[in-house]
Amino acid sequence: SAVISQKPSRDICQRGTSLTIQCQVDSQVTMMFWYRQQPGQSLTLIATANQGSEATYESGFVIDKFPISRPNLTFSTLTVSNMSPEDSSIYLCSAIGQGFGQYFGPGTRLTVT
Amino acid sequence: RKEVEQDPGPFNVPEGATVAFNCTYSNSASQSFFWYRQDCRKEPKLLMSVYSSGNEDGRFTAQLNRASQYISLLIRDSKLSDSATYLCVVSNNAGNMLTFGGGTRLMVKP
Repeated sequence: SAVISQKPSRDICQRGTSLTIQCQVDSQVTMMFWYRQQPGQSLTLIATANQGSEATYESGFVIDKFPISRPNLTFSTLTVSNMSPEDSSIYLCSAIGQGFGQYFGPGTRLTVT
Repeated sequence: RKEVEQDPGPFNVPEGATVAFNCTYSNSASQSFFWYRQDCRKEPKLLMSVYSSGNEDGRFTAQLNRASQYISLLIRDSKLSDSATYLCVVSNNAGNMLTFGGGTRLMVKP
């Protein structure tokens, strides 16, 4: 298995500002993902974080709004840019590694006022 | 039509009851299937994978019907601690991307 940590665990931000969320995995993983889970909803994939290259975004998500970095096999960041109240959500980092299924970080609970 | 559909519930059952959840998926090329459990304000955690031959883990039994494109989860002898949302999850044909159902909420009462 893998242990995934995220920072911050929660934040309250003003509209128009940006927040960067960090994700750290305790072992090398093949794939890392960022998901969003809005209140009462299931998970929606934002993008696949690719090591050393641009992330692969799902329909409805763009790099200018959600820039993602993955400088190595165990670390990734997601930035939520120019935030609005509609961005209030839980953001979850996830990873797949050799020999284990897909695991999730504890999530970052974002509230935009 | 959603790619992965589940009855959102809630399913309210007494302790000791047997409860079953179904899930349907639209992509016939889907590779792998899972049930995840998500507790309130927590991240999803893998409960079990679902194999074509069916698989059992203690009180939990998962089955896959590829012809009808549905997956089931059976929980026997429900415990209070089983109360959670159960997410049906399907991977794409490359096996590297998951699609989540909306989840089925289970509440087990004393």
